[in-house]
Amino acid sequence: EPEVTQTPSHQVTQMGQEVILRCVPISNHLYFYWYRQILGQKVEFLVSFYNNEISEKSEIFDDQFSVERPDGSNFTLKIRSTKLEDSAMYFCASRVGLAGGPLGGELFFGEGSRLTVL
Amino acid sequence: AQSVTQLDSHVSVSEGTPVLLRCNYSSSYSPSLFWYVQHPNKGLQLLLKYTSAATLVKGINGFEAEFKKSETSFHLTKPSAHMSDAAEYFCVVSDAGGFKTIFGAGTRLFVKA
Repeated sequence: EPEVTQTPSHQVTQMGQEVILRCVPISNHLYFYWYRQILGQKVEFLVSFYNNEISEKSEIFDDQFSVERPDGSNFTLKIRSTKLEDSAMYFCASRVGLAGGPLGGELFFGEGSRLTVL
Repeated sequence: AQSVTQLDSHVSVSEGTPVLLRCNYSSSYSPSLFWYVQHPNKGLQLLLKYTSAATLVKGINGFEAEFKKSETSFHLTKPSAHMSDAAEYFCVVSDAGGFKTIFGAGTRLFVKA
């Protein structure tokens, strides 16, 4: 069964360092997402990406964050200068179509990348 | 704008008894609603989805949910809890045609032997 894969599963970094989290969405999916979950808290929307551009982003997704689809398979989240409060589990997700459409609209999630900022 | 409220942060049931996890939503447009489950140190797995077809939706592992527009609710139920059901459950809403998909705060389900 096709799945979303994320690397690394766990990354430890020093405050101020740049981090890139990588995701390989399901191959025929068109919409890509990043969410984060701070330990013990809710899953928060960061950004959605479609047709090689950001379609929507939350207030969390400030200038420190960027996303890119550098080739036909990878979807990356970059944090330019990490802060302690960036420590969280980051989930990548993809969907084949939008909610309410004929293709169902559910998100398929990866297993997550745990980021620890020291 | 969408929002979703899970009314209980924790629910504890005994094995073999019914499960009820409550969810209320608000949405400007015809919403699609989902329930996801997250087992410890695992990713998010889809349990079931409502996308404007039948209001009673059946999912995996014996779970089902009923969409009630008049009550703006989408509660998750299971007739008989199993130990393996212990996990965090998230109610999720997405406006039809919208990019953004919003999670509720989650309900942690404990199942006692």
